Amino acid sequence: QSVLTQPPSVSGAPGQRVTISCTGSSSNIGAGYDVHWYQQLPGTAPKLLIYGNSNRPSGVPDRFSGSKSGTSASLAITGLQAEDEADYYCQSYDSSLSGWGVFGTGTKVTVL
Amino acid sequence: EVQLVESGGGLVKPGGSLRLSCAASGFTFSNAWMSWVRQAPGKGLEWVGRIKSKTDGGTTDYAAPVKGRFTISRDDSKNTLYLQMNSLKTEDTAVYYCTTVSWVAGGAFDIWGQGTMVTVSS
Repeated sequence: QSVLTQPPSVSGAPGQRVTISCTGSSSNIGAGYDVHWYQQLPGTAPKLLIYGNSNRPSGVPDRFSGSKSGTSASLAITGLQAEDEADYYCQSYDSSLSGWGVFGTGTKVTVL
Repeated sequence: EVQLVESGGGLVKPGGSLRLSCAASGFTFSNAWMSWVRQAPGKGLEWVGRIKSKTDGGTTDYAAPVKGRFTISRDDSKNTLYLQMNSLKTEDTAVYYCTTVSWVAGGAFDIWGQGTMVTVSS
């Protein structure tokens, strides 16, 4: 149902770098809309992690970075830590009938 | 402290109605665009709808699955956001979060409540 596609899961050892892709289309990411990323720790509400494609809110470690190109965006986590184990969602906007706000399918990050 | 607190969730039968509330504090609610986002058990996030500030027209927009059944409104005098849910279906079972839409953050959902659970079941 979601118009933004993410890999279901990624994993890495502590200290490693992992990336999460977010693939959209010409009616959302490709139309120039910004991409935002959220982190959801188990049993908690989502938290804004990256806004405007590549900006970190105050308090978010610089281990997290975002980028966007064409119809896709990516979230990178460098120096993976145990506390990074969570679900991650991308979010953008869509000009089609699917609605104003759209989320990605979500990615579970596992720290091995 | 900036805070959003949802309430009003519960168990309702298919076809029934429920109204959720979201009490805001710590920021100028009347200037804020607000959204509702839901998450079915074990599933991902789903945007439900959005209401603009009154100064920006106060208009609403909804996701296709809820359009015509759900209505978002706001009472700026009470710093409260509402979600009126009618003709509820089992697939509406989810945790419902209210969020702010921050244009300083490029339209991101920057403040989230703790969520309220809605269960639609006979």
